[in-house]
Amino acid sequence: NAGVTQTPKFRILKIGQSMTLQCAQDMNHNYMYWYRQDPGMGLKLIYYSVGAGITDKGEVPNGYNVSRSTTEDFPLRLELAAPSQTSVYFCASSYSVGRPEQYFGPGTRLTVT
Amino acid sequence: AQSVAQPEDQVNVAEGNPLTVKCTYSVSGNPYLFWYVQYPNRGLQFLLKYITGDNLVKGSYGFEAEFNKSQTSFHLKKPSALVSDSALYFCAVRVIGGGSQGNLIFGKGTKLSVKP
Repeated sequence: NAGVTQTPKFRILKIGQSMTLQCAQDMNHNYMYWYRQDPGMGLKLIYYSVGAGITDKGEVPNGYNVSRSTTEDFPLRLELAAPSQTSVYFCASSYSVGRPEQYFGPGTRLTVT
Repeated sequence: AQSVAQPEDQVNVAEGNPLTVKCTYSVSGNPYLFWYVQYPNRGLQFLLKYITGDNLVKGSYGFEAEFNKSQTSFHLKKPSALVSDSALYFCAVRVIGGGSQGNLIFGKGTKLSVKP
């Protein structure tokens, strides 16, 4: 199993540009998550999904959108990038409420200038 | 509100000495607790979890954690630290109830530095 994969690894965006961060998992997990990690701030949940076709906002959803058309994929869309979105983004997945341990991808380092 | 706290930003330990990384939590109901490790420029890796049963939980890389219900703590421990244990450690608790049940709340992380 590849686990959770993320692309790209690095990206530099100009202010106002848009992009999609890709995330895929091959563990047949129902739940998927997007976090951002800023230095000294831990992880903040952006969006999550409990299954295909179902998504919900986390703690910091503004400026982002997600979709979940399949169990495997959970892309994160940044519209009109701003410097405040400079961060490291992690995708994670878990099997169920009863087995909530999450498995993380390697991350995408995004810089908005 | 449910929360998790890691009171130390950094822990320094000499190689070969025991290490403890502290975590306290606040949840209503029985907690599901987790420890993760993050090496530089990598994603978080699951170390161990407590759901029920024995208060001492063993995990990967020789780590263990002790659940203490009366003190609402879940401290991470290792009898003999290695330089390669140097990393960022996160404690997490599962959200109970509500629409986000099953999500994890993460602490801010503790940087462990093991010196030779």
